[in-house]
Amino acid sequence: GENVEQHPSTLSVQEGDSAVIKCTYSDSASNYFPWYKQELGKRPQLIIDIRSNVGEKKDQRIAVTLNKTAKHFSLHITETQPEDSAVYFCAAISDGTPLVFGKGTRLSVIA
Amino acid sequence: SQTIHQWPATLVQPVGSPLSLECTVEGTSNPNLYWYRQAAGRGLQLLFYSVGIGQISSEVPQNLSASRPQDRQFILSSKKLLLSDSGFYLCAWSGLDAGSTDTQYFGPGTRLTVL
Repeated sequence: GENVEQHPSTLSVQEGDSAVIKCTYSDSASNYFPWYKQELGKRPQLIIDIRSNVGEKKDQRIAVTLNKTAKHFSLHITETQPEDSAVYFCAAISDGTPLVFGKGTRLSVIA
Repeated sequence: SQTIHQWPATLVQPVGSPLSLECTVEGTSNPNLYWYRQAAGRGLQLLFYSVGIGQISSEVPQNLSASRPQDRQFILSSKKLLLSDSGFYLCAWSGLDAGSTDTQYFGPGTRLTVL
């Protein structure tokens, strides 16, 4: 089955700097890669996703890139703000199976 | 639009007591439904998922069980709680009404403390 590795487990950045979180997956049949943000005590919320027929997707300050050959995808947050502080989860899925989540990255944005 | 509800929001139960957590989805039909558990400071552990009424897949052997008595209702149960059952229980749904069966949307969660 699919296995998703996520790095780093914790990340601290200065406000205004960029943050990058990386995930690798094992199943070459995986074709959908969402990212979720979970604030303390709250539910995970989808922030951006990408499908295997696209190499990059942007939404304001966040972007996701996908390298199918290397089987890895990354979340990029630019101009970080204190409200970006949260736990971020990547996930991968292939047809007919539930999402497989990474173990999460705790991002702290220091003002 | 679709809405997912969970109750109760918080629960404190003694070891050995039974458990019933409920999840319902509004505004869609035939959703895929999921139960996750999240221990404090940890990741998301998939417990059960269901693609239809009466169809339950178990991901992790444990003292929990799940049932889907109606299309948009998913119930998580236990006959006897263990201390290790404490955590944040999240229900999620996916379905074509959201544009894709791949994207999962989470409910507000139930925080369970077993003493």
